[in-house]
Amino acid sequence: DAGVIQSPRHEVTEMGQEVTLRCKPISGHDYLFWYRQTMMRGLELLIYFNNNVPIDDSGMPEDRFSAKMPNASFSTLKIQPSEPRDSAVYFCASSFQSFGTGEPGELFFGEGSRLTVL
Amino acid sequence: RKEVEQDPGPFNVPEGATVAFNCTYSNSASQSFFWYRQDCRKEPKLLMSVYSSGNEDGRFTAQLNRASQYISLLIRDSKLSDSATYLCVVMYRGSTLGRLYFGRGTQLTVWP
Repeated sequence: DAGVIQSPRHEVTEMGQEVTLRCKPISGHDYLFWYRQTMMRGLELLIYFNNNVPIDDSGMPEDRFSAKMPNASFSTLKIQPSEPRDSAVYFCASSFQSFGTGEPGELFFGEGSRLTVL
Repeated sequence: RKEVEQDPGPFNVPEGATVAFNCTYSNSASQSFFWYRQDCRKEPKLLMSVYSSGNEDGRFTAQLNRASQYISLLIRDSKLSDSATYLCVVMYRGSTLGRLYFGRGTQLTVWP
């Protein structure tokens, strides 16, 4: 079975450019998460969706970041304009509702998109 | 104060050693607990859930102490392949359903 698929795996861009990261969750999963990982701050939740609806975007750093989930099989995270401090590994993860709890179960992560903003 | 605190290590142990990691969490409403493993330059993967009564999976034992708000992971008979970063994860039902918090991870290196 295919896991969570992210693209691009690596991106190097210049400050001020727009960056779009893409994610295809595991089929049948109804939760999708975007995380950012840096050495300094570890893994930070940026935003998550349930059934394509954004539930919590309180982790989105600022207006330069936006995320969409137009359908159950695709999500994007956009940074515009990008800045050097946005350099990080961005992970997308998906999960399904745990039986009887209404909460997400195990998170399945994609391989990540490593972003470098010069 | 961060939601989840972990000793970053690194822990450097020989093969066959027993090693333990602790993790503390700040929110007493925390409901579910997990340990994830992350290999270098890879994505995190679930290692095991942590149950109230404690649970074991082969060489790995997880414990939860709600009164003191910490969880632990014990690895017995360490293998070279156990070298990784171990992430403590807590989930609580606060104002947002199902929010998970990751610790920054504890790095383990097992040497021959």
